Amino acid sequence: QVQLVASGGGVVQPGGSLRLSCAASGFTFSNYGMHWVRQAPGKGLEWVAFIRYDGSNKYYADSVKGRFTISRDNSKNTLYLQMNSLRAEDTAVYFCAKADYGGNSAVVYWGQGTLVTVSS
Amino acid sequence: QLVLTQSPSASASLGASVKLTCTLSSGHSSYAIAWHQQQPEKGPRYLMKLNSDGSHNKGDGIPDRFSGSTSGAERYLTISSLQSEDEADYYCQTWGTGSVVFGGGTRLTVL
Repeated sequence: QVQLVASGGGVVQPGGSLRLSCAASGFTFSNYGMHWVRQAPGKGLEWVAFIRYDGSNKYYADSVKGRFTISRDNSKNTLYLQMNSLRAEDTAVYFCAKADYGGNSAVVYWGQGTLVTVSS
Repeated sequence: QLVLTQSPSASASLGASVKLTCTLSSGHSSYAIAWHQQQPEKGPRYLMKLNSDGSHNKGDGIPDRFSGSTSGAERYLTISSLQSEDEADYYCQTWGTGSVVFGGGTRLTVL
């Protein structure tokens, strides 16, 4: 069955960097678009970024544009989120999620999330 | 601008039915959405994709008690025979060219 295992979260100082990974299994990773979605403590879901199945298109929320970079390695079935210039408001649980098909589309499967805390 | 609007809260009694609403912003009434459930202290779970014509595709293992429907720019999630485990936050999601949007979520209380 589909498995999405996110890792790489932790505590980082404001202005610092962190790279999240998401290991995918149970489906043909290279055929599907992938999302990152986050949830700040006590808040709702906020979409962060999307990448097409082949990496040819990437989309970002305005709140992270220019600071975060989504990428993927289809040979390793792994999705990444490079987060730079981190701010306190980036503190959240970050979920990787599988899209319905190769292009921008519904989230149809969620991973378990990894917590990022930005604090001095 | 693509926006989804949800009521912050809803409540219904055990065994009853409830209909949650997600409203698409003006000019986007043809968009499909997805419904997601998040039980307390858990990660989100995909429930279904709901098209503008009312057709829907449910996720694996989603009970028949969950159904979707459409009217204009409104997208509905109906939960029948409410159970205690249905107490959760429910989010709708849509997508357009270069963007994805989540609604603010509806917290459902089962009385």
